[in-house]
Amino acid sequence: QVQLVESGGGVVQPGGSLRLSCAASGFTFSSYGMHWVRQAPGKGLEWVAFIRYDGSNKYYADSVKGRFTISRDNSKNTLYLQMNSLRAEDTAVYYCAKDGIGAVAGPYFDYWGQGTLVTVSS
Amino acid sequence: EIVLTQSPATLSLSPGERATLSCRASQSVSSYLAWYQQKPGQAPRLLIYDASNRATGIPARFSGSGSGTDFTLTISSLEPEDFAVYYCQQRSNWPPKWTFGQGTKVEIK
Repeated sequence: QVQLVESGGGVVQPGGSLRLSCAASGFTFSSYGMHWVRQAPGKGLEWVAFIRYDGSNKYYADSVKGRFTISRDNSKNTLYLQMNSLRAEDTAVYYCAKDGIGAVAGPYFDYWGQGTLVTVSS
Repeated sequence: EIVLTQSPATLSLSPGERATLSCRASQSVSSYLAWYQQKPGQAPRLLIYDASNRATGIPARFSGSGSGTDFTLTISSLEPEDFAVYYCQQRSNWPPKWTFGQGTKVEIK
């Protein structure tokens, strides 16, 4: 069965950096695009970033462009999110999610991890 | 940017009743619309993709319909485990961006 397990969350000061990881299993990781989606406390869902199955294309929400970098290591079945210049408004649970289609940027997310909490506070 | 507007914000119903949730897009998304269920403290779960296709393991009481700008998620007869928040979601073509509606909370009346 598909499993996505995020890690790396924690408390960081404004302006600081954090790297999130998502370990994938139960499917051919190297064949699927992957996403990061976040949810601020008590709020709705916000898509953050997408990376193609081979890492050749990456897309970002305007709110994180230039500060966050999505990457992947297909040899380790792991997805990453490097977050720099963090702001209070980046405080959220960060979920990794599997793209529903495969080689292209599909229109939906079919599996989600349980999330990791990032708190940006002084 | 395509904006998704969900209504109502909150739906108060009793178990066994029918729930009808609406999602309206600011411009056409064809049939590329998905629905998710989220319970407190849990990750979202895919219910419906491409407007009307149930995801793996989703009970038949969940159905989706619509195309273009107007979409509906129907739960034919609410079970106790169906009380949750529901989000619609779409992907714009270029540049690819994925957006969610603000959510509809289905609560026990």
